Amino acid sequence: NAGVTQTPKFQVLKTGQSMTLQCAQDMNHEYMSWYRQDPGMGLRLIHYSVGAGITDQGEVPNGYNVSRSTTEDFPLRLLSAAPSQTSVYFCASSYGTRGAYEQYFGPGTRLTVT
Amino acid sequence: DAKTTQPNSMESNEEEPVHLPCNHSTISGTDYIHWYRQLPSQGPEYVIHGLTSNVNNRMASLAIAEDRKSSTLILHRATLRDAAVYYCSRMGYSGAGSYQLTFGKGTKLSVIP
Repeated sequence: NAGVTQTPKFQVLKTGQSMTLQCAQDMNHEYMSWYRQDPGMGLRLIHYSVGAGITDQGEVPNGYNVSRSTTEDFPLRLLSAAPSQTSVYFCASSYGTRGAYEQYFGPGTRLTVT
Repeated sequence: DAKTTQPNSMESNEEEPVHLPCNHSTISGTDYIHWYRQLPSQGPEYVIHGLTSNVNNRMASLAIAEDRKSSTLILHRATLRDAAVYYCSRMGYSGAGSYQLTFGKGTKLSVIP
């Protein structure tokens, strides 16, 4: 199993550009989520999904869009990039939606918006 | 708003036990306590989780206070490879049958040879 994969590893955008961060998992997990990590802030939840076709907002959803058309993939879209979105982004997945299951994290995408 | 608080940093000597504390004073009765660790330039890695009882696995032990307002991650013999940022987190119900993982800001553990 490859686990949770994320592409790209690094990305530089100009303000106003849009892009999609890719996330895929091959473990048939129901629950997938996106976090951003900023210095001194820990990890903050952006959006999550409890299954194909079902998504919801986390703590910091503004400026981001998600969709989940398959169990495997959960892309994160930046609609119009802003310097405040400079961060490291992590995708995670778990078997179920309850807290009884461990989360598996991807290696991250480091995004810089100039 | 429920908060999870941890010390910013801790030090330990190699091969000694380490106790990493976490306060989650507003945790609800159905919230699970999760611990993850993160090495530089890597994604978080699962360590252990529990609900009410103390838990052991090959990596660590988790001691949960009887009132569940605090927990302690125990590394029985710290090695240099255990130097990382350790995150205490709470997996709480967010409605509509789904759960959200809310992280503390992490404790940076340094291990001294």
